[in-house]
Amino acid sequence: SQQGEEDPQALSIQEGENATMNCSYKTSINNLQWYRQNSGRGLVHLILIRSNEREKHSGRLRVTLDTSKKSSSLLITASRAADTASYFCATDSGNTPLVFGKGTRLSVIA
Amino acid sequence: DVKVTQSSRYLVKRTGEKVFLECVQDMDHENMFWYRQDPGLGLRLIYFSYDVKMKEKGDIPEGYSVSREKKERFSLILESASTNQTSMYLCASSLRRTSGRDNEQFFGPGTRLTVL
Repeated sequence: SQQGEEDPQALSIQEGENATMNCSYKTSINNLQWYRQNSGRGLVHLILIRSNEREKHSGRLRVTLDTSKKSSSLLITASRAADTASYFCATDSGNTPLVFGKGTRLSVIA
Repeated sequence: DVKVTQSSRYLVKRTGEKVFLECVQDMDHENMFWYRQDPGLGLRLIYFSYDVKMKEKGDIPEGYSVSREKKERFSLILESASTNQTSMYLCASSLRRTSGRDNEQFFGPGTRLTVL
């Protein structure tokens, strides 16, 4: 069952630019998480934002959550070639496993 | 650091073979999960387990079974491999069942399985 939907599916930017990815979901959540996946590898947890939080920062990452619109965004500032990866949102709706979206594929061109 | 390891990075099997994919985590996590990942379909949950000897079906359990005899080990079994089970298989673990700061998942490196 797909809950989160990332947008866009693919994004290509120049090094130094900011990258913004969006995630929309359908049901109420307890928290929303973002993960990164480098090509052919496992996912790595980036950041978690709870339903009562509106914004969270971690290094060059900024996550916002709008529960009224059931959407979240992930902003990567001053992107680097090493940020090239797929990014997934995952929603936690209670006593069930996380549900992952299909991901946004980010390419950062040096 | 939590470490989740998977028995193979690449695996090639023949149709009809029985396939075992092993996953081991070293941080005493309660929860373990098996996903498969296919282009355009994202991650799909096959089975998960919240405790030893416990298993629950995910979204696509058909053609798979699992075993969790020890807390740290969660095995995915393809009883009779078929070509449509060619995929990337990802194992993950998390500390607690309930939602909150400890339910982030830690992933293994993945096993790319090809069934010929």
